[in-house]
Amino acid sequence: AQKVTQAQTEISVVEKEDVTLDCVYETRDTTYYLFWYKQPPSGELVFLIRRNSFDEQNEISGRYSWNFQKSTSSFNFTITASQVVDSAVYFCALSPYNQGGKLIFGQGTELSVKP
Amino acid sequence: EAGVAQSPRYKIIEKRQSVAFWCNPISGHATLYWYQQILGQGPKLLIQFQNNGVVDDSQLPKDRFSAERLKGVDSTLKIQPAKLEDSAVYLCASSLADTGGSEQYFGPGTRLTVT
Repeated sequence: AQKVTQAQTEISVVEKEDVTLDCVYETRDTTYYLFWYKQPPSGELVFLIRRNSFDEQNEISGRYSWNFQKSTSSFNFTITASQVVDSAVYFCALSPYNQGGKLIFGQGTELSVKP
Repeated sequence: EAGVAQSPRYKIIEKRQSVAFWCNPISGHATLYWYQQILGQGPKLLIQFQNNGVVDDSQLPKDRFSAERLKGVDSTLKIQPAKLEDSAVYLCASSLADTGGSEQYFGPGTRLTVT
């Protein structure tokens, strides 16, 4: 079975705190991709990052960083020095290479950053 | 470059009525996806088109849902008759290719309320 689990339904932090959003996935495929999307209150899904299963290097983009560990089937997302504008629902998604590009989404984590 | 367009943005209907949603993908994108996002959940793929052919409709409730992409460009998703559990946001996405890892660009969605 292919599945994505985001165990944290809601997280609330105060501005400038660091926060990590967890993502655990299940797949038997050896080739796959992992994504993170942001869904602000406006509703449109915004692409944040894509990772393929052969690249376990961590990635940093400004205040965002991602930690991919195949050994634990996890692809966690950290926001450093959070800001109010980071408030949104964040989705982790799995895309098996040979299934037409479809995305299998987790349930999402709603992040609330308070001033 | 224009993004994925969807209309209407909001729709309220009574159960057993019919409704149709329209999507115009990014120019040149051969692959088009329709997702259903129920409140509090991640998007779930309903149907995927490659040009005007269906690639995956395994999760489309075919007794009431139908979709077409006749000229390989814009697409229409229809529900007939609607049920209360169809209340959701219907998201359209497009991508250049139909392989895993292809970045999908999402439209703003159509929020359907069935009363």
